[in-house]
Amino acid sequence: GQQVMQIPQYQHVQEGEDFTTYCNSSTTLSNIQWYKQRPGGHPVFLIQLVKSGEVKKQKRLTFQFGEAKKNSSLHITATQTTDVGTYFCAGPRSNYQLIWGAGTKLIIKP
Amino acid sequence: SAVISQKPSRDICQRGTSLTIQCQVDSQVTMMFWYRQQPGQSLTLIATANQGSEATYESGFVIDKFPISRPNLTFSTLTVSNMSPEDSSIYLCSVTGQNQDTQYFGPGTRLTVL
Repeated sequence: GQQVMQIPQYQHVQEGEDFTTYCNSSTTLSNIQWYKQRPGGHPVFLIQLVKSGEVKKQKRLTFQFGEAKKNSSLHITATQTTDVGTYFCAGPRSNYQLIWGAGTKLIIKP
Repeated sequence: SAVISQKPSRDICQRGTSLTIQCQVDSQVTMMFWYRQQPGQSLTLIATANQGSEATYESGFVIDKFPISRPNLTFSTLTVSNMSPEDSSIYLCSVTGQNQDTQYFGPGTRLTVL
């Protein structure tokens, strides 16, 4: 069945370092979405990518959708403590449902 | 985006009892979803709740264990029945956004079963 794989599971960075999470789908996606979940919080929608090769930026966050529309990445430049949380990618399934990646937890080293 | 509330925010329950979780949205929405999230894990879809029809359950989840109501376009309930410690988890409701692809989540219900 359709799968969305996301790596790494965790990433420890010093504040100010960059962070990247990668998402790979077993099937071509019509779009891919990214969500952020702060510790103790709920997932919050960040962005949706629709076009092949699309790149979108939100301040220090850069989102990419692969040419084949099967992979995506989220890159954070110069991480800050406010970036801490788990980042999920998700692709659409039937009936408006989403299939979720496992998430990548961003941990800032003290 | 819709504003979604859930009640209760957390509860500690005894084995064998049932808990009903409420999800209220501030606008009418077509699709509502119920998820379970174990600590440190991703989201697992329990069921899709459609107004005016029976909920559609994912593999591994059954109506007898997780009955769902959807009486109107702004409200839904999920009941966790005959609870066991394995049901301890965070339960989240979500609704689709305007383009029906994206989802917006309630704050979640943290359930502990003793």
